[in-house]
Amino acid sequence: QLQLQESGPGLVKPSETLSLTCTVSGGSISITSYYWGWIRQPPGKGLEWIGSIYYSGSTYYNPSLKSRVTISVDTSKNQFSLKLSSVTAADTAVYYCARDNWIDGRVFDYWGQGTLVTVSS
Amino acid sequence: DIQMTQSPSSLSASVGDRVTITCRASQSIRSSLNWYQQKPGTAPKLLIYAASSLQRGVSSRFSGSGSGTDFTLTISSLQPEDFATYYCQQSYSTSYTFGQGTKLEIK
Repeated sequence: QLQLQESGPGLVKPSETLSLTCTVSGGSISITSYYWGWIRQPPGKGLEWIGSIYYSGSTYYNPSLKSRVTISVDTSKNQFSLKLSSVTAADTAVYYCARDNWIDGRVFDYWGQGTLVTVSS
Repeated sequence: DIQMTQSPSSLSASVGDRVTITCRASQSIRSSLNWYQQKPGTAPKLLIYAASSLQRGVSSRFSGSGSGTDFTLTISSLQPEDFATYYCQQSYSTSYTFGQGTKLEIK
C-alpha cells in the first residue's frame, strides 16, 4: 500500500523559506505516468494546488505561487520536497503531499496525512 | 485560471436522503473533473475521477456525471459516514483548481 508522509518545521518566520519533504513508501517514486504534488489548505478554508513534479525533475506550478515555489525530487531517497520563499501569514496552512496520477486523468489518489505550517514571528 | 464554483456551499440532509452537489467550470473542461471527500482533520479522499469513474474501494452509492462546464456528484442514500466536505477539482488545465467546497451536515 502506497504511503506518503510529510515532514518539516511546523513554525516558520515571516520572510523566511518554508521547506517540507514528502517520503514515499510502499512503491517507487520513479514510475512512469505518476507525478507527485503539493496541495495546501489554510485553516478553515479550501484546497489550493501548489505544484507537481515528475521523477525526471519536470515540474509545473500554480501560476499564482510560481515565483516563490521550488519543488525538487530525490529518487535515491524516494522523496520529493517543497520550498516556498518569502512566506507571510497567508501561507499558514496544512500542507499535503499527494500522488498526481496521470493514468486516471490527473487525479490525486494517494495523500499524506498533512502537516500544519504556521508562519509567525 | 479555470474557476470552479460549487453549489450549494452547505447542505443539511438526513440519513437515507438522496443528495446532489453541483460543480460548474468557468470554461469547458470536457470530462476532466474529480471529486474528493474530506472529513475534519483528515486528508481528502478521491471518490470520482474523469467525471464519472468510481475510484476503487469507494461505495457505489457515490456517482458522478456531467461534461463540459456542468457536473454533479450524487449520493444515492446518505449514510452517517458521508457527512463531510466535498470538493471538485479540474484537471483539464495543468494549473489545477478546486471548488470552494460543499459542507454536508446532518439535519
